[in-house]
Amino acid sequence: GESVGLHLPTLSVQEGDNSIINCAYSNSASDYFIWYKQESGKGPQFIIDIRSNMDKRQGQRVTVLLNKTVKHLSLQIAATQPGDSAVYFCAENSSNYGQNFVFGPGTRLSVLP
Amino acid sequence: DSGVTQTPKHLITATGQRVTLRCSPRSGDLSVYWYQQSLDQGLQFLIQYYNGEERAKGNILERFSAQQFPDLHSELNLSSLELGDSALYFCASSVDPDLNSPLHFGNGTRLTVT
Repeated sequence: GESVGLHLPTLSVQEGDNSIINCAYSNSASDYFIWYKQESGKGPQFIIDIRSNMDKRQGQRVTVLLNKTVKHLSLQIAATQPGDSAVYFCAENSSNYGQNFVFGPGTRLSVLP
Repeated sequence: DSGVTQTPKHLITATGQRVTLRCSPRSGDLSVYWYQQSLDQGLQFLIQYYNGEERAKGNILERFSAQQFPDLHSELNLSSLELGDSALYFCASSVDPDLNSPLHFGNGTRLTVT
């Protein structure tokens, strides 16, 4: 099946700066997307989701942008904090997969003091 | 805390052995998913159950099997274990897979095969 990928495997940002994590997906039929955060020794933690009928959604310090034209998804984290250091995964879902999520390989975010 | 409980947290066993991993979904969630996470493979979907019935299969080996019980907890059975089966195994649950609802993950079982 098709898979979700990420442009950058690692990202280092200064504390207080904004972070942008990118994700490319290949299945144009995908209609639901989620960003997860995984800290060491823990399971993936839900951050924010977006449906294909939207192009932007905001949460607390996070914003997800969806560009269906180029099949691109991004996660923006405002005022990045040390606690944001983790691996971030994007996941896509479509009825083509029988409602099963396909995860990208992940991006490691390191917040520098 | 996601509300998904996985036991045991760690499991060390020898090649050729069989183990059972257990998962209790969040209260109210009817669907359970199993994922395998290894360093070089990322999160790989294994199998999904919904209300006791198998819903979808991913890259699950024939040596692996799973089931969801009437109380909705699920077990993943891994047999004839090989060194390459060493990985983190995650269980996730969702309310209804047809509603595009997020998966909520447990903290996983770390399996080490020696």
